[in-house]
Amino acid sequence: GEDVEQSLFLSVREGDSSVINCTYTDSSSTYLYWYKQEPGAGLQLLTYIFSNMDMKQDQRLTVLLNKKDKHLSLRIADTQTGDSAIYFCAESINGDKVIFGPGTSLSVIP
Amino acid sequence: EAQVTQNPRYLITVTGKKLTVTCSQNMNHEYMSWYRQDPGLGLRQIYYSMNVEVTDKGDVPEGYKVSRKEKRNFPLILESPSPNQTSLYFCASTRQGANSPLHFGNGTRLTVT
Repeated sequence: GEDVEQSLFLSVREGDSSVINCTYTDSSSTYLYWYKQEPGAGLQLLTYIFSNMDMKQDQRLTVLLNKKDKHLSLRIADTQTGDSAIYFCAESINGDKVIFGPGTSLSVIP
Repeated sequence: EAQVTQNPRYLITVTGKKLTVTCSQNMNHEYMSWYRQDPGLGLRQIYYSMNVEVTDKGDVPEGYKVSRKEKRNFPLILESPSPNQTSLYFCASTRQGANSPLHFGNGTRLTVT
């Protein structure tokens, strides 16, 4: 069945890089997304990657996709305290469904 | 401002008392969806709608109803709420199904006692 997995917690020091990993099971997914949720708020799109790409870079964010291993990662360079949030990996399936992972809670230590 | 608006933000109710959570978007999006968020489970889809008068079950539809009479509105109805429906609910919309990014509302925290 369709499933998206992530580790639940990550702690990094301010200024270091954060790497959040995600694995998914459905090989027919077309887009893979990273969403950010700050306390008391809804999810906001952070970045996304089309399934025929290997990498996407957007300022401090780098997304790597290994389609063979069904592995997606999000790297945040120079992590700041404002990056503390829950990060959700998600995959789109058949154009009508988005499956979310459980979310990774990122804590940034000053 | 482009947004998805949910109401209410917080709701406490008792078992069996019918309630409706409203959702409205002003972006002329065709696709709308409801999710519930529970700790350690991420977001699970309840129902979605590809367009007016077209609705489909998601992964956890039991105990919920929806309607899509107009493009902008997608209310979530709990005919007889139970304590296991205590959760954080999100409405989301997108231009064209799951192949474009979702825009989320700010959430409705529901407690059923």
